[in-house]
Amino acid sequence: AQKITQTQPGMFVQEKEAVTLDCTYDTSDPSYGLFWYKQPSSGEMIFLIYQGSYDQQNATEGRYSLNFQKARKSANLVISASQLGDSAMYFCAMREGSGAGSYQLTFGKGTKLSVIP
Amino acid sequence: DAGVIQSPRHEVTEMGQEVTLRCKPISGHDYLFWYRQTMMRGLELLIYFNNNVPIDDSGMPEDRFSAKMPNASFSTLKIQPSEPRDSAVYFCASSWDRGRGGTEAFFGQGTRLTVV
Repeated sequence: AQKITQTQPGMFVQEKEAVTLDCTYDTSDPSYGLFWYKQPSSGEMIFLIYQGSYDQQNATEGRYSLNFQKARKSANLVISASQLGDSAMYFCAMREGSGAGSYQLTFGKGTKLSVIP
Repeated sequence: DAGVIQSPRHEVTEMGQEVTLRCKPISGHDYLFWYRQTMMRGLELLIYFNNNVPIDDSGMPEDRFSAKMPNASFSTLKIQPSEPRDSAVYFCASSWDRGRGGTEAFFGQGTRLTVV
């Protein structure tokens, strides 16, 4: 079974509107972390936001927020007030466990976001 | 800090040749990861190191692939002999233990490898 599922291969959003990118995950470990990365057409991977499994509040970083629903095992990324520069691939990723052998990230397939002027 | 530095940015080589990709992690980071990205398989972890010691190399596709980390500031990923199916973007990433387990990985710019 896939550990990270991103069901939206592509999304369109109007400039200045908000958009939600879906991510569901699968783990039996009570300790885990969820990450979102942005990959623009230039190719680099840019860290956006992190949510820990024990965090009580949803993470926010500027225009990015993470809608964390633990019981549903979902960690959707919300981008408010979309800008043209937000057009990119977005990857959800998970780290399972908290020990020294658990720092690797497992990535979803990604969602391509296109912002329309 | 300059971030994670990878070289070369682009590499074109002929099938059968040896290819060496290089990575300099962020100073002070004690975890280093090698990922491969393809359209078909997405981002796959190949191997990662902690304090220069390989922890998990289960993602290395086959014996043609090898990785080393001789010191805290340098790592190599070598493919010998290279094959066309090795064509991909190879990312190096580094991170550190913040104590709560929520450490993000910082990625280099990637090396786009084309094997013809």
